[in-house]
Amino acid sequence: QSVLTQPPSVSGAPGQRVTISCTGSSSNLGAGYDVHWYQQLPGTAPKVLIYGNNNRPSGVPDRFSGSKSDTSASLAITGLQAEDEADYYCQSFDGSLSAYVFGAGTKVTVL
Amino acid sequence: EVQLVESGGGLTQPGGSLRLSCVVSGFDFSRYSMNWVRQAPGKGLEWISYISGTSGTIYYADSVKGRFTVSRDNAKNSLYLQMNSLRAEDTALYYCSRCSGWYRDAFDIWGQGTTVTVSS
Repeated sequence: QSVLTQPPSVSGAPGQRVTISCTGSSSNLGAGYDVHWYQQLPGTAPKVLIYGNNNRPSGVPDRFSGSKSDTSASLAITGLQAEDEADYYCQSFDGSLSAYVFGAGTKVTVL
Repeated sequence: EVQLVESGGGLTQPGGSLRLSCVVSGFDFSRYSMNWVRQAPGKGLEWISYISGTSGTIYYADSVKGRFTVSRDNAKNSLYLQMNSLRAEDTALYYCSRCSGWYRDAFDIWGQGTTVTVSS
């Protein structure tokens, strides 16, 4: 059971918008710790997609956006493309556990 | 070029030990906190350990506390994970990753991983 809860899968047609939720608690997201999002393409190491709740590293398309409110966060992908098929993970810090935590991951399928 | 290269993985029996290494290049290693993250076959990411740049702050996941020890040698640009009392459930691909203050402590650089298999 992950400390951060994500849906196992989401899907959408090319061009559509999909969102991935990440639900935490008062000891992690609700305590003000940042949420970060990672994309993991098949057979590769994860790559940071969104950092500090809503910031994109250089090179990440602006089709990806993040938001956070209290104990929840979300990643949105607009204009879904075939190359976006991957696993996506949210991550934060939990002050009660003194530990970094990942969500269980969400598989995005482009129909 | 910024690079993290893990090594030391392999096959070991339950109860055995392994020492993983992560050699970094392309940045001032001593200024960055580092992490170990693992991924069991077909499963998600699991954070297992953090060490600050000076080794003054160390954290472990409950799943490895008391069995794994993280350390670093800044003079050798190297991060280590000593793994003892290994269990079948420790079988995974082990990544080292950099914690970036610039990216609000996101894990901005990852190695390609080293595979640990625990089996009799």
